[in-house]
Amino acid sequence: GEDVEQSLFLSVREGDSSVINCTYTDSSSTYLYWYKQEPGAGLQLLTYIFSNMDMKQDQRLTVLLNKKDKHLSLRIADTQTGDSAIYFCAENGGYQKVTFGTGTKLQVIP
Amino acid sequence: SAVISQKPSRDICQRGTSLTIQCQVDSQVTMMFWYRQQPGQSLTLIATANQGSEATYESGFVIDKFPISRPNLTFSTLTVSNMSPEDSSIYLCSVADLALDEQYFGPGTRLTVT
Repeated sequence: GEDVEQSLFLSVREGDSSVINCTYTDSSSTYLYWYKQEPGAGLQLLTYIFSNMDMKQDQRLTVLLNKKDKHLSLRIADTQTGDSAIYFCAENGGYQKVTFGTGTKLQVIP
Repeated sequence: SAVISQKPSRDICQRGTSLTIQCQVDSQVTMMFWYRQQPGQSLTLIATANQGSEATYESGFVIDKFPISRPNLTFSTLTVSNMSPEDSSIYLCSVADLALDEQYFGPGTRLTVT
């Protein structure tokens, strides 16, 4: 089946850039997503990218997609303490369902 | 984006009982899903709630344990039946259009089974 993998933990200093990486196995993915989950809260859709794009920028967020290597990344510029959360990568494998990665816990050090 | 509410937001239940979780959306949506997020884990899709027909369950999930209803395009329920402590999780309702370009989640129901 589909598999989506992420590193479990990332620590950065406030003001630096954060880069969260994700790899997936399903080559038929149509959309790839980044979600943010703050402690005790639900999931917030941050951004998504269509599989025929290789980059999408939205304010402090930049998504890069390397379809050949099945690699997705989320870059957060000027990381703030409010960005501390768990970030989930997810992909739509074309079977009307979305598979989520394991989540990366981002810790921002003041 | 759709606004999704879930009831209850949390509950503590005894082993062997059942709990029904409600999901209400503020607009008609094509796709509705139920996910489970076990403590410290990622999300696992339980089933797709189909309007007017039986839900489509993922591997490892069965209708007898997780009966689902979807009477219309804005509402769905998930029942967790004959609960055991292993069912302690956050249960999330999710909605999307047919293209799945944007999928939104409800706030979740935190279930603890004692």
